[in-house]
Amino acid sequence: AQKITQTQPGMFVQEKEAVTLDCTYDTSDPSYGLFWYKQPSSGEMIFLIYQGSYDQQNATEGRYSLNFQKARKSANLVISASQLGDSAMYFCAMRFYTGTASKLTFGTGTRLQVTL
Amino acid sequence: GAVVSQHPSRVICKSGTSVKIECRSLDFQATTMFWYRQFPKKSLMLMATSNEGSKATYEQGVEKDKFLINHASLTLSTLTVTSAHPEDSSFYICSAPMDREAFFGQGTRLTVV
Repeated sequence: AQKITQTQPGMFVQEKEAVTLDCTYDTSDPSYGLFWYKQPSSGEMIFLIYQGSYDQQNATEGRYSLNFQKARKSANLVISASQLGDSAMYFCAMRFYTGTASKLTFGTGTRLQVTL
Repeated sequence: GAVVSQHPSRVICKSGTSVKIECRSLDFQATTMFWYRQFPKKSLMLMATSNEGSKATYEQGVEKDKFLINHASLTLSTLTVTSAHPEDSSFYICSAPMDREAFFGQGTRLTVV
């Protein structure tokens, strides 16, 4: 069975510092995608970054980078130079491409608080 | 870019009434729409997958007669919460997959009083 695990229910980081949000996954499928989403208090899901299982390089999008360690089945999100606006819930998700319905399975989320 | 528009964003309804939530794909055709439910401070749980022109696929434990899903066109999927009860109060959000991404609606916060 496919499973996503986020072990940090809450994290604090000082403004301008970097923070790593952990995500591990479990699957026997060779083809999958890993996503990180940000959910502010308004509820919308904001796409941050994507990593495909066959991608050779770690994904980066501005201040976001994904530390993809395939052998360890981890896909940690690194946010550099944290800003107050980064305070939100962060969800790691996995999508499978085998079969007809490639649905997203979400982790339990990490609440990030950026402090002055 | 691709956008999923979800309405209403908030709704308060009386117990026993039905509420319809719409998700429209803008600038692209969504043959599949995923419907999620999120309880406060919890993760998103997949309720069902709607496919244009066919019956929706429900996840285990989700009542089909309670949560009616219709995907009548390539740009519109609807979720109707029938005979709503206070325990149906939750955040509902739709998502349409496209290529490697998934585009989310803005979400609907349902309160049943």
